[in-house]
Amino acid sequence: QSALTQPPSASGSPGQSVTISCTGTSSDVGGYNYVSWYQQHPGKAPKVMIYEVSKRPSGVPDRFSGSKSGDTASLTVSGLQAEDEADYYCSSYAGSNNYVFGTGTKVTVL
Amino acid sequence: EVQLVESGGGSVQPGGSLRLSCAASGFTFSDYWMHWVRQVPGKGLVWLSRIDSGGSGTVYADSVEGRFTISRDNAKNTLYLQMNSLRAEDAAVYYCARSNWPHYFAYWGQGTPVTVSS
Repeated sequence: QSALTQPPSASGSPGQSVTISCTGTSSDVGGYNYVSWYQQHPGKAPKVMIYEVSKRPSGVPDRFSGSKSGDTASLTVSGLQAEDEADYYCSSYAGSNNYVFGTGTKVTVL
Repeated sequence: EVQLVESGGGSVQPGGSLRLSCAASGFTFSDYWMHWVRQVPGKGLVWLSRIDSGGSGTVYADSVEGRFTISRDNAKNTLYLQMNSLRAEDAAVYYCARSNWPHYFAYWGQGTPVTVSS
């Protein structure tokens, strides 16, 4: 199973929006509405921000939103804040109880 | 509060073995699927294995199939990963994670580092 493709980096000024893409195939992202997104600060464990393409767990700010079109999912962070600076990973169910993560995107708040 | 605490990481020579543990608390452990995920420092997350709530159903990534074994002891609220025939490329931080339906990793441990070097 190949890793999902994400841009290595993205950036925005405080208050702006940033969108991260996550491209897979019809066997993972395109085949299931089971895309999730994780935020990871340096030295910390990942934290789920979005699941099932666009659902937010309790406690995650509504500045975080997700969507999907075909084989590509996206995470948008609106109203960027300093604490949003982190690495972000997408993940997708890939069938037969397998899972795949994205290559990761470093978000920088300018 | 859900807590997952990994242990058992350390340094091992190539070809050696190591068993990781993940102690769970704050939820009914026997109700949930559990996973192991690893991350080479500075690199991305890689899913390794999943075990169902009862422990009878396991799935592995191709990279560890036949070398790693996931198991659980629901009486002890503990998840395990037996790692055999370790290679240099297995060096990473290993995380345990709890699944929530549908198919996402709702809670993560803090990770335990594994070094494979002669």
